[in-house]
Amino acid sequence: AQTVTQSQPEMSVQEAETVTLSCTYDTSESNYYLFWYKQPPSRQMILVIRQEAYKQQNATENRFSVNFQKAAKSFSLKISDSQLGDTAMYFCAFYFIQGAQKLVFGQGTRLTINP
Amino acid sequence: DVKVTQSSRYLVKRTGEKVFLECVQDMDHENMFWYRQDPGLGLRLIYFSYDVKMKEKGDIPEGYSVSREKKERFSLILESASTNQTSMYLCASSLTGLYTDTQYFGPGTRLTVL
Repeated sequence: AQTVTQSQPEMSVQEAETVTLSCTYDTSESNYYLFWYKQPPSRQMILVIRQEAYKQQNATENRFSVNFQKAAKSFSLKISDSQLGDTAMYFCAFYFIQGAQKLVFGQGTRLTINP
Repeated sequence: DVKVTQSSRYLVKRTGEKVFLECVQDMDHENMFWYRQDPGLGLRLIYFSYDVKMKEKGDIPEGYSVSREKKERFSLILESASTNQTSMYLCASSLTGLYTDTQYFGPGTRLTVL
């Protein structure tokens, strides 16, 4: 079975700090797509960043970057210079091309940025 | 900007009622999805549709059905609501690649079944 695990249910940091959210997964596939989605309080879920497993370079989007360790099956999200607007629920999600024909979501990490 | 709207933000229904949740997207997306979001469980796929009148079961289809008569609209139906269907329901759409394209989500409907 293909599983996705976010081991940190909640995290809290001060504004301007850097925070890393962890996500691990289990698969025997070699190619898949990886995503981080953000769900702000009472607002719509949006895509933060995506990575394709065959690409060596880690994806970045402004203050958001990923650390993709394929051998370790780890896909963490780093938020630099955190802002109050980064407060949200964060989900990692995977699409395993050969396996379950759907996005597999992690349990979510609730991130709070404190002023 | 892609816009995905859901008919209600909050809904309270009684056990045994038939419940309709509506989702509309305005960007001509091929694919639409219904998820259920519960604390500690992430998002679980209920049903998806890759074309008008086409539907496929997800992980947890029991107790639910769907309808997609028009490309922009995807409805989730709870045939006989039960208390264990109290949850947040999220609709999403994607352009062409069923799961490789970005999914765009609606604001969610928080359903309480009494």
